[in-house]
Amino acid sequence: EDKVVQSPLSLVVHEGDTVTLNCSYEVTNFRSLLWYKQEKKAPTFLFMLTSSGIEKKSGRLSSILDKKELFSILNITATQTGDSAVYLCAVKVSSSNTGKLIFGQGTTLQVKP
Amino acid sequence: NAGVMQNPRHLVRRRGQEARLRCSPMKGHSHVYWYRQLPEEGLKFMVYLQKENIIDESGMPKERFSAEFPKEGPSILRIQQVVRGDSAAYFCASSRDYSGANVLTFGAGSRLTVL
Repeated sequence: EDKVVQSPLSLVVHEGDTVTLNCSYEVTNFRSLLWYKQEKKAPTFLFMLTSSGIEKKSGRLSSILDKKELFSILNITATQTGDSAVYLCAVKVSSSNTGKLIFGQGTTLQVKP
Repeated sequence: NAGVMQNPRHLVRRRGQEARLRCSPMKGHSHVYWYRQLPEEGLKFMVYLQKENIIDESGMPKERFSAEFPKEGPSILRIQQVVRGDSAAYFCASSRDYSGANVLTFGAGSRLTVL
């Protein structure tokens, strides 16, 4: 069965800290890995990764994929209270006619002032 | 561009009643996905639809749940004879197509509470 596992499940840090969120996966027919940020509303897209070793960056957030070891990390530097959210990792698998995502449980990040 | 619109945002039902959740995809998107998020859990895939077609319903419970995406109007997720275990957030997402290059855009979710 396809599986995506995130760690840690929850994390509490102080403003200014750097955090690393982990996502490992075991799927057949891997296509891409996506990170979403979920506050108390719609999950919002952060990154899509398809190739190993190429870092994607957006401001203080960055992410990288390792297709050999089957994991990805999401880094957030100089954290702010606005970074508090649930971070979701999802994998898209190649099937004949569907682009559905398989999600991990999420990592709940709390950034304290 | 209004994004993915879901309604109602909150729905309260008593056991045995029916719940109908609606989703209007983003403009230009013809592919709709429904996901369920139980408390303390990740999003679980339920069903994938294109206009007038159910493409993949492998995540749908076998009974009481149904989904449609008619030629005109929003996609509907229907839950008959709701039970307490159906209490969850139901998220709809849409994409332009199912290719790997297309990212799913999510709605804000409909939170169902079954009393």
